[in-house]
Amino acid sequence: SAVISQKPSRDICQRGTSLTIQCQVDSQVTMMFWYRQQPGQSLTLIATANQGSEATYESGFVIDKFPISRPNLTFSTLTVSNMSPEDSSIYLCSVEGPIRGGYTFGSGTRLTVV
Amino acid sequence: LAKTTQPISMDSYEGQEVNITCSHNNIATNDYITWYQQFPSQGPRFIIQGYKTKVTNEVASLFIPADRKSSTLSLPRVSLSDTAVYYCLVGDSGNTPLVFGKGTRLSVIA
Repeated sequence: SAVISQKPSRDICQRGTSLTIQCQVDSQVTMMFWYRQQPGQSLTLIATANQGSEATYESGFVIDKFPISRPNLTFSTLTVSNMSPEDSSIYLCSVEGPIRGGYTFGSGTRLTVV
Repeated sequence: LAKTTQPISMDSYEGQEVNITCSHNNIATNDYITWYQQFPSQGPRFIIQGYKTKVTNEVASLFIPADRKSSTLSLPRVSLSDTAVYYCLVGDSGNTPLVFGKGTRLSVIA
């Protein structure tokens, strides 16, 4: 299965600032997915990132707040912009594998906004 | 994507078999059933996937009745380290993003 390296693992940020989260996969993948998991909650899909095209955002998430880059088939970044305490969550990236229809997740980035 | 319903939480003693049932009444013909395990401060981990009947691997078994409107994840002889949240997801494959339900929080007690 794919191995995903996600950075940073955690951060504490001041409100109004931005944080960029990186996701590196050890193999080429068509799509990468970004999720948010608020404290004690399930995962919510933020957007789907294809290489060479703009990301597709789910309802409630906008590009200005969560810009995504996908410069190649093994890397993606998610930026959380103009942060507020409500953005405090775990952010995870994901790719398909180890089998078709099964997915591998990064270890997550625990973000705290103060 | 088909919606799933699972118990919010379950408790079990060490060494017991745990069965977690998931309802997915609107499952489509092409949908697979996949289960994930999530420990605190980690991303979800793929456990098992099935389409119909029974699937078994080194971690768990998955039972799917003929109508496929439900499925049961079976964890044999659980240990404290199996304490986690278990998610049942239903969907077709091919880079379709996952839609997570609330999951089942399993607590294993010594």
